[in-house]
Amino acid sequence: DAGVIQSPRHEVTEMGQEVTLRCKPISGHNSLFWYRQTMMRGLELLIYFNNNVPIDDSGMPEDRFSAKMPNASFSTLKIQPSEPRDSAVYFCAASARPPLNTIYFGEGSWLTVV
Amino acid sequence: ELKVEQNPLFLSMQEGKNYTIYCNYSTTSDRLYWYRQDPGKSLESLFVLLSNGAVKQEGRLMASLDTKARLSTLHITAAVHDLSATYFCAVDMYSGGGADGLTFGKGTHLIIQP
Repeated sequence: DAGVIQSPRHEVTEMGQEVTLRCKPISGHNSLFWYRQTMMRGLELLIYFNNNVPIDDSGMPEDRFSAKMPNASFSTLKIQPSEPRDSAVYFCAASARPPLNTIYFGEGSWLTVV
Repeated sequence: ELKVEQNPLFLSMQEGKNYTIYCNYSTTSDRLYWYRQDPGKSLESLFVLLSNGAVKQEGRLMASLDTKARLSTLHITAAVHDLSATYFCAVDMYSGGGADGLTFGKGTHLIIQP
């Protein structure tokens, strides 16, 4: 199994531009999470999906952030317009239903907004 | 709001020594996770602890969970340099409908010196 696959791995963009981060979860893992990691705030849960349905998006910082999961094998996190304070590592993670419960993280998308 | 506190946040130790990292959390949960993160890398799952009294060991690392005390420990035995990394604990507020996402501690930055 290839694990959780994220793209792009690195992105540098100018303030105001739209950024789209992509995630392909592990096949059969029905829970998908988007996390953001920064030095100041650590790891924060942005949103999670169960069976492609958004369950809790209370961690999404602003309306500039949106996430979709159109099918079981693909999710996107979009920032529009981007700002320098959005610079962070964005992780996608996935887990299967209990009792397996291990939550697997992708390699992350390193975003720099200048 | 669930709070997860780790201590210490920074730890420098010598090879061959033993040490324990502590993880306290503020509300009832019986699912606790330990992850390892190397600089610039993703999070690697170490342990998933699913019940009170759970103990798991892998090599020089051993994790335990006391749900009554809301405390988990990660014990390092006879540390070696390769264990240098940042270790995170995280609590899952599982509600029966699938994983609810993890709340992470700030991480313990561990340096093991020869």
